[in-house]
Amino acid sequence: GQQVMQIPQYQHVQEGEDFTTYCNSSTTLSNIQWYKQRPGGHPVFLIQLVKSGEVKKQKRLTFQFGEAKKNSSLHITATQTTDVGTYFCAGDTNAGKSTFGDGTTLTVKP
Amino acid sequence: DTGVSQNPRHKITKRGQNVTFRCDPISEHNRLYWYRQTLGQGPEFLTYFQNEAQLEKSRLLSDRFSAERPKGSFSTLEIQRTEQGDSAMYLCASSLGSGLHVGDTQYFGPGTRLTVL
Repeated sequence: GQQVMQIPQYQHVQEGEDFTTYCNSSTTLSNIQWYKQRPGGHPVFLIQLVKSGEVKKQKRLTFQFGEAKKNSSLHITATQTTDVGTYFCAGDTNAGKSTFGDGTTLTVKP
Repeated sequence: DTGVSQNPRHKITKRGQNVTFRCDPISEHNRLYWYRQTLGQGPEFLTYFQNEAQLEKSRLLSDRFSAERPKGSFSTLEIQRTEQGDSAMYLCASSLGSGLHVGDTQYFGPGTRLTVL
């Protein structure tokens, strides 16, 4: 079945440093979504990418979808303590079912 | 509050007992999803509904699990004869359910944390 892998599993950064998490799918995706889950909270939708090679930005966050639509990345510039949490990617191959990666947990040292 | 709500928020039960969870999606959303999440893992797909129809069910879901969405609004997830391995956070999400699925943002509820003793 479809597998979605994320690396790294954990990332510890000093406030102000950049952060990147990578998502790789075993199969071609129709779209990919990114979510953020704060400790003790539930996943909150960040963005969806649909087109091959698509790049979207949200303030300090940059999301990319690979040309082959099998990988994606999330880059945060100049991390802040409010960025702490676990970032999940979720890939769709068929309408209705999303396969989530196991997330990258970001901690930020002030 | 117009978000996704789930009840109860916490459930502690003894092994072998049955439990039922409820999810109330955002009112205009056609699709409703159930996921299970354990510590350090991403949400694991269990099943989803388009209106009242259950369209897909994970092969990981044993016969002890059943979900319903009788009127296309709220949904229930029942686990029969609970086992300690069922302990997890059960998350519900809803989406508008556009036909092509593109732009079908899922909004998650706060989850029900199940502990099986």
